[in-house]
Amino acid sequence: NAGVTQTPKFQVLKTGQSMTLQCAQDMNHNSMYWYRQDPGMGLRLIYYSASEGTTDKGEVPNGYNVSRLNKREFSLRLESAAPSQTSVYFCASKSGGETQYFGPGTRLLVL
Amino acid sequence: AQSVTQPDIHITVSEGASLELRCNYSYGATPYLFWYVQSPGQGLQLLLKYFSGDTLVQGIKGFEAEFKRSQSSFNLRKPSVHWSDAAEYFCAVGAGSARQLTFGSGTQLTVLP
Repeated sequence: NAGVTQTPKFQVLKTGQSMTLQCAQDMNHNSMYWYRQDPGMGLRLIYYSASEGTTDKGEVPNGYNVSRLNKREFSLRLESAAPSQTSVYFCASKSGGETQYFGPGTRLLVL
Repeated sequence: AQSVTQPDIHITVSEGASLELRCNYSYGATPYLFWYVQSPGQGLQLLLKYFSGDTLVQGIKGFEAEFKRSQSSFNLRKPSVHWSDAAEYFCAVGAGSARQLTFGSGTQLTVLP
């Protein structure tokens, strides 16, 4: 099992550009999450999907959209990137045992 | 809304010394509590978790944590630190319909030889 995979690993954008961060899990988990990590602030929840077909806002959803494409995939889209969205983005999925498993992260730099 | 406080931004210990990392949470119901570790440039790995039952929980790599409801704390301990334990440690509380995690700001651990 690959667990949780994220693409790309690193991306540089210019202000105003758009992009989609991809996340996939092969553990048959129902719930998936997107977090961002900024220095000194821990991880903050952007959006989550409790099950296929549902999505909900987290703590910091502004400027982002998500799509739960199927049970395996949960993508995060930045429609018009801003420098404040420079961060490391982590995707996670949750087992029935309530444990979240994290991907390796995507480092995003917005110039 | 729930919150997590990790009062220590950075802790330095000598190899072989004991370690305690502090975590305080705020949540109205019985919390789901977690400790994760993050090595530089890596994702997060679960060390241990508490849902109910025995308030002293054992995790991987020789770590343990104790849930104290009266103090709203879930401190992480290790009797003897190894150089490979140098990393950033995050405490988190899970709540909501999907057990969304709220993280503390993290504690950076440095281990001196």
